[in-house]
Amino acid sequence: NAGVTQTPKFQVLKTGQSMTLQCAQDMNHNSMYWYRQDPGMGLRLIYYSASEGTTDKGEVPNGYNVSRLNKREFSLRLESAAPSQTSVYFCASSERGAKSGEQYFGPGTRLTVT
Amino acid sequence: GENVEQHPSTLSVQEGDSAVIKCTYSDSASNYFPWYKQELGKGPQLIIDIRSNVGEKKDQRIAVTLNKTAKHFSLHITETQPEDSAVYFCAAPLAGGTSYGKLTFGQGTILTVHP
Repeated sequence: NAGVTQTPKFQVLKTGQSMTLQCAQDMNHNSMYWYRQDPGMGLRLIYYSASEGTTDKGEVPNGYNVSRLNKREFSLRLESAAPSQTSVYFCASSERGAKSGEQYFGPGTRLTVT
Repeated sequence: GENVEQHPSTLSVQEGDSAVIKCTYSDSASNYFPWYKQELGKGPQLIIDIRSNVGEKKDQRIAVTLNKTAKHFSLHITETQPEDSAVYFCAAPLAGGTSYGKLTFGQGTILTVHP
């Protein structure tokens, strides 16, 4: 099992460019998440998908869109990148309603917007 | 929504000492509190969690305590080892209550264990 995979690992964008971060999981989990991690601010939830076909905003959704393509894949799109979106982005998944509540994280995508 | 504050932001200990990290939360309805460990260049990984129907939970050298009255919970690591060096995050349900979905995280604690 690969767990949660993310592509790309690194990306540099110019202000105003667009891009899509890809995430896939092979654990048959229902729920998937996108977080951003900035120094001194911990992890902040951008969007959440409880199950295929549903998405919900998190703490910091502005400037982002998501697509839950199928049960395995959850993508994050930046339509017009801004320097404030420079961050490390993590995708995670969990089994919805599981007693453990454990979220499994991918290795992250380091994004720089110049 | 829930708000979680984590202290200290950095913690340096000698190998074999104990380390304690504390988090406070704002929503008295919250009842699920996980702790994640993040090693350099990797995603966070769950190390222990606690629900509000218990006051303490242990797993070998790691323990978590919960004080519902004071609305704080703490991570205790005993007999620290250099491989415990990492960033540790506490978390709580974003909307309070029991949520095995959306979480809000503390700011993180950089733990350094010196040999």
